[in-house]
Amino acid sequence: GENVEQHPSTLSVQEGDSAVIKCTYSDSASNYFPWYKQELGKRPQLIIDIRSNVGEKKDQRIAVTLNKTAKHFSLHITETQPEDSAVYFCAASRRRTTGTASKLTFGTGTRLQVTL
Amino acid sequence: EAGVAQSPRYKIIEKRQSVAFWCNPISGHATLYWYQQILGQGPKLLIQFQNNGVVDDSQLPKDRFSAERLKGVDSTLKIQPAKLEDSAVYLCASSSLPTNYEQYFGPGTRLTVT
Repeated sequence: GENVEQHPSTLSVQEGDSAVIKCTYSDSASNYFPWYKQELGKRPQLIIDIRSNVGEKKDQRIAVTLNKTAKHFSLHITETQPEDSAVYFCAASRRRTTGTASKLTFGTGTRLQVTL
Repeated sequence: EAGVAQSPRYKIIEKRQSVAFWCNPISGHATLYWYQQILGQGPKLLIQFQNNGVVDDSQLPKDRFSAERLKGVDSTLKIQPAKLEDSAVYLCASSSLPTNYEQYFGPGTRLTVT
């Protein structure tokens, strides 16, 4: 089955700096890669996603890049703010043989701390 | 649109007791997922429904966990009997189409087994 590794496990940056979180996946058939933000005690929230036919996607201060050959994808947050502090999870998914979307396999999470 | 609803939000039980969780997905979402999130880890899929049929329950501990989605809308997840290692947050998620990858999560039920 799919295995997703995520690094680093914790990341501390100063406000205004950039943060980068990296993930690798094992299943070459995976074709959908979402990123979720989870604040303490709250639900995971989808913040950005990318499909395998796209190399990069950007939404304001966040961007995701995908390297299918190397089977890794990254989340980039620029101009970080204190409210970006949370746990970020990457995930991978692919279409099942039945045609339905498959489960999300999550990474282990990165705790981002943005300090003033 | 309203989000995924779950209840209860918190539950404390003793080991060997039973417990049930309820989920109401976003209106019109055909696919429903139950995930288990142990503290400090990413969510792990327990079971996936497409309408009222099971698509994947390969990681559901079937000796103690059961789930159903009657009428293809609401779903319940049951644990009987509970073990200490079942302490976790149980998250329900839904997506709109069989091939729609975007999943939206509910607030979760935090279960503590003592």
